[in-house]
Amino acid sequence: DSGVTQTPKHLITATGQRVTLRCSPRSGDLSVYWYQQSLDQGLQFLIQYYNGEERAKGNILERFSAQQFPDLHSELNLSSLELGDSALYFCASSPHGNSPADEQFFGPGTRLTVL
Amino acid sequence: GENVEQHPSTLSVQEGDSAVIKCTYSDSASNYFPWYKQELGKRPQLIIDIRSNVGEKKDQRIAVTLNKTAKHFSLHITETQPEDSAVYFCAALYNFNKFYFGSGTKLNVKP
Repeated sequence: DSGVTQTPKHLITATGQRVTLRCSPRSGDLSVYWYQQSLDQGLQFLIQYYNGEERAKGNILERFSAQQFPDLHSELNLSSLELGDSALYFCASSPHGNSPADEQFFGPGTRLTVL
Repeated sequence: GENVEQHPSTLSVQEGDSAVIKCTYSDSASNYFPWYKQELGKRPQLIIDIRSNVGEKKDQRIAVTLNKTAKHFSLHITETQPEDSAVYFCAALYNFNKFYFGSGTKLNVKP
């Protein structure tokens, strides 16, 4: 157990809908990262937050947004869902930002299925 | 941006043999290179990492080498065991704030 929690574990929804994925980092970690992993594929970096502020953006679609709250938990919002958004979404946390680089601890993931 | 290529995509070895997975990266500014192991349906877990000021790092049966000039780094697993079977991902930290992952190598260790 990495200490990073994600809810829900599974989510099934329809095209066009909007969902919110939640992540709680390890106690004391200030950075949260979001990744998308499609079936049998690698991890795509979406976005990073550090202490409440957006730090870095990867391949995140405009239909997706995220935020980090004062208690450091983070939410990833996915809207106007398409079939291709079906994937495993991982959150990871690390103590600081990336300078120097910290080990990232991954949560168990949220499996999103869009029908 | 950064581009990380990983080879091979699948690797099958006999128990006890060595396994080598290679990654290349495109941006010479990348300075941190972790390797993750992901078992089926589970989260990625860091197994070893290396920073750009070091050429090699070892942890028991696992080692990573980095060639900054050629912009490639490799994972070496010796005396492989069936429990090493998993998907392995390399990654590169670009510009201090973006992680780019390779496409993964599915390692199968046959008993």
